Amino acid sequence: GAVVSQHPSWVICKSGTSVKIECRSLDFQATTMFWYRQFPKQSLMLMATSNEGSKATYEQGVEKDKFLINHASLTLSTLTVTSAHPEDSSFYICSARVSDVARETQYFGPGTRLLVL
Amino acid sequence: AQSVSQHNHHVILSEAASLELGCNYSYGGTVNLFWYVQYPGQHLQLLLKYFSGDPLVKGIKGFEAEFIKSKFSFNLRKPSVQWSDTAEYFCAVEYNFNKFYFGSGTKLNVKP
Repeated sequence: GAVVSQHPSWVICKSGTSVKIECRSLDFQATTMFWYRQFPKQSLMLMATSNEGSKATYEQGVEKDKFLINHASLTLSTLTVTSAHPEDSSFYICSARVSDVARETQYFGPGTRLLVL
Repeated sequence: AQSVSQHNHHVILSEAASLELGCNYSYGGTVNLFWYVQYPGQHLQLLLKYFSGDPLVKGIKGFEAEFIKSKFSFNLRKPSVQWSDTAEYFCAVEYNFNKFYFGSGTKLNVKP
């Protein structure tokens, strides 16, 4: 099956620094990638949807200047948490969809746990 | 805002017991429906999905789900659970295109 990787799996950083998380589709080309955030004991919350070569579409309440998304190729999307603060500590999960056809399944990455001190 | 509710947060069953996990959503329009499973230490995997057609959907590992439009529900079932089904289960709804909402998850513990 399709595999999506994320790097790093864990990151600890100081408040005020920026953190970049990579999401790669390893064996398929992903037209669309999604970024989710999950707080402890809560559901995944969709943050943004990105398509290769175009600007990301952010969900209501998600600051686009805070969470920069770059979908540079059909196999790579990056999420940069700029000037991270302790409240940004969370579990970030990406997923990739094989094509723009609505019926295609999302394939999820293993997630990245961010701790901001 | 749209919402997805999973009423059971934690379910404990013995092996061979039957399972039903509830999922309700708030949107009244056309939706695509999914159940995902997350085994300990692993990432989310698709169990089954419903887009249209027969409202009773069969997925992997003996799981099935029934879409009841009048009740805005998409409950997950399995007639006889195994210890290996111990995992967290998430219901998800796609409203419009690429707009996904997830439930808060149900942790299932199956006692051997």
